[in-house]
Amino acid sequence: EVQLVQSGGGLVQPGESLRLSCAASGFTFEDYAMHWVRQAPGKGLEWVSSLTWNSGIMEYADSVKGRFTISRDNAKNSLYLQMKSLRTEDTAFYYCAKDIAGGSYPALVNWGQGVLVTVSS
Amino acid sequence: DIQMTQSPSSLSASVGDRVTITCRTSQTVTRYLNWYQQRPGEGPKLLIYAAYNLHSGVPPRFTGSGSGTDFTLTISSLQPEDFATYYCQQSYSTLISFGQGTRLDIK
Repeated sequence: EVQLVQSGGGLVQPGESLRLSCAASGFTFEDYAMHWVRQAPGKGLEWVSSLTWNSGIMEYADSVKGRFTISRDNAKNSLYLQMKSLRTEDTAFYYCAKDIAGGSYPALVNWGQGVLVTVSS
Repeated sequence: DIQMTQSPSSLSASVGDRVTITCRTSQTVTRYLNWYQQRPGEGPKLLIYAAYNLHSGVPPRFTGSGSGTDFTLTISSLQPEDFATYYCQQSYSTLISFGQGTRLDIK
């Protein structure tokens, strides 16, 4: 069974940093692209970032480009999202998600449980 | 970036009804359009990928159609568990984008 277990959410002040983790199991992690998607409370889904199976291609939404960094450790079956210079508008539930394949024509087939990141003074 | 427009933004229907949700993209995505369901308090679930392919375990009352810029998700006979919010997502570009969502409520 595919499992994506997330950690790292919490309350931070504007300008601070936070690192989210996503531990994967139940599939060959290194074969699949991975993604981060966020959802502000009561709002819709917003794609944040994607990383191909071999870390060859990283993509970011304009709203986070230059502040967030996606990475993966295939030896540890883990995906990360390093978030810097956090803003109040970054407050959201953050989900990691597994792609249906290596990264072309992405479909998000499995999702983590989501963690809440709250940016507030 | 590819912009996504779903309609309607909300919809009220009864158990047993047939409902259709529409998604339009700002440029062609050929057939690379996916649909997700999100129930309150849960994460999204993939229903349909590449326009019409039913994801494993999804009931056949869900069907997808369309190509180019215009797509539809149809639920043939609504069940109580289908009342949720539905999102489309284009996968033609690796710069992923989602529609704003369609909330389906019980009438």
